[in-house]
Amino acid sequence: AQTVTQSQPEMSVQEAETVTLSCTYDTSESDYYLFWYKQPPSRQMILVIRQEAYKQQNATENRFSVNFQKAAKSFSLKISDSQLGDAAMYFCAYRSPGRGADGLTFGKGTHLIIQP
Amino acid sequence: EAGVAQSPRYKIIEKRQSVAFWCNPISGHATLYWYQQILGQGPKLLIQFQNNGVVDDSQLPKDRFSAERLKGVDSTLKIQPAKLEDSAVYLCASSSSGNSYEQYFGPGTRLTVT
Repeated sequence: AQTVTQSQPEMSVQEAETVTLSCTYDTSESDYYLFWYKQPPSRQMILVIRQEAYKQQNATENRFSVNFQKAAKSFSLKISDSQLGDAAMYFCAYRSPGRGADGLTFGKGTHLIIQP
Repeated sequence: EAGVAQSPRYKIIEKRQSVAFWCNPISGHATLYWYQQILGQGPKLLIQFQNNGVVDDSQLPKDRFSAERLKGVDSTLKIQPAKLEDSAVYLCASSSSGNSYEQYFGPGTRLTVT
């Protein structure tokens, strides 16, 4: 079974600064998908960014980028120019290739605090 | 495009009572998931449907939890009887069967068992 570990229960960053959230995972599969989800107090899970394991290029979405190290099974999220609206719980998630059972396996989350 | 709808948003029951949650996925999405999110943890998959068939229910406590997806659209998740440890947020998500790597989540139902 796959496992996802987020070792930072809470992170704090000044507005406009850069912060990196860590995630490691364990799997025996060679092909899979990795995600970062944001969950604000409203509880709505919002997809931030995704990475296909077969792609060597790190994914980027505006101020959000990942550092995907497949050999190290590491998948960190970098948020540049942090904004007050970025404050939320951030979850790293793993998904097996989509044939049949493809539910997400989540880490425990990192609470991100943005200081004005 | 309307998102995933869930109801109720909040529910408080006493232990040993029963409760049901409802989910309406995004129109056309063949795959539907139920997750349980205990306070301070990430969501855990309970069950996955593809149309109206069960794909994965390996983590569903079948002695007290049941779920169905009639006609491959709406779904209900039931707990009977509830225990204190069932207090959690129950999230429903859906995805299309084609480009299925993104799951869209509903707002969740917060259940408190007293």
